[in-house]
Amino acid sequence: EAGVTQSPTHLIKTRGQQATLRCSPISGHTSVYWYQQALGLGLQFLLWYDEGEERNRGNFPPRFSGRQFPNYSSELNVNALELEDSALYLCASLVGGWANVLTFGAGSRLTVL
Amino acid sequence: GENVEQHPSTLSVQEGDSAVIKCTYSDSASNYFPWYKQELGKRPQLIIDIRSNVGEKKDQRIAVTLNKTAKHFSLHITETQPEDSAVYFCAAHNNNDMRFGAGTRLTVKP
Repeated sequence: EAGVTQSPTHLIKTRGQQATLRCSPISGHTSVYWYQQALGLGLQFLLWYDEGEERNRGNFPPRFSGRQFPNYSSELNVNALELEDSALYLCASLVGGWANVLTFGAGSRLTVL
Repeated sequence: GENVEQHPSTLSVQEGDSAVIKCTYSDSASNYFPWYKQELGKRPQLIIDIRSNVGEKKDQRIAVTLNKTAKHFSLHITETQPEDSAVYFCAAHNNNDMRFGAGTRLTVKP
């Protein structure tokens, strides 16, 4: 069984640009979570999608947005990039909405210059 | 929303000693509490989890305890080995999202 896959692995952008990160959940998983992990820091909750809808978002500005497609894959968009957006962005999926094992992808490392 | 606090932020032990990491949560609706291990440059991996209807769970050298009344849960690692060195995250899951603690960097010295 394929795990959670994320692309691209690395992405370099300059301030003010836009970045799009993609995530494919494990087959059968309908929920996708996005987290931001800045260097040496913890996992900050960004967004939760389930059954194609945004269910909850963390304490991030509106320039962080995303969506979930009918096949349950998801993308995270970050507009008007700032230097502090440089981080590892982790996607995770689980079957059902909650109280189940969350499986992480390898992450997309975004560098903003 | 849920808020998870984790202590200590760093922990150094001698090989063979035990390590304990503690977390508290704020939302009484949280009912699932996983622990993840993240080695350098790798993704977080689930090592053990506990649900709110259970007070304790053990898997070989790893155990987790949950006190719902006090809203805290702990990870216990016995007979630590150098390969246990990593960052450990606790998390609490309610019906809105999964929130993580800030992490504990565990170093096991040979």
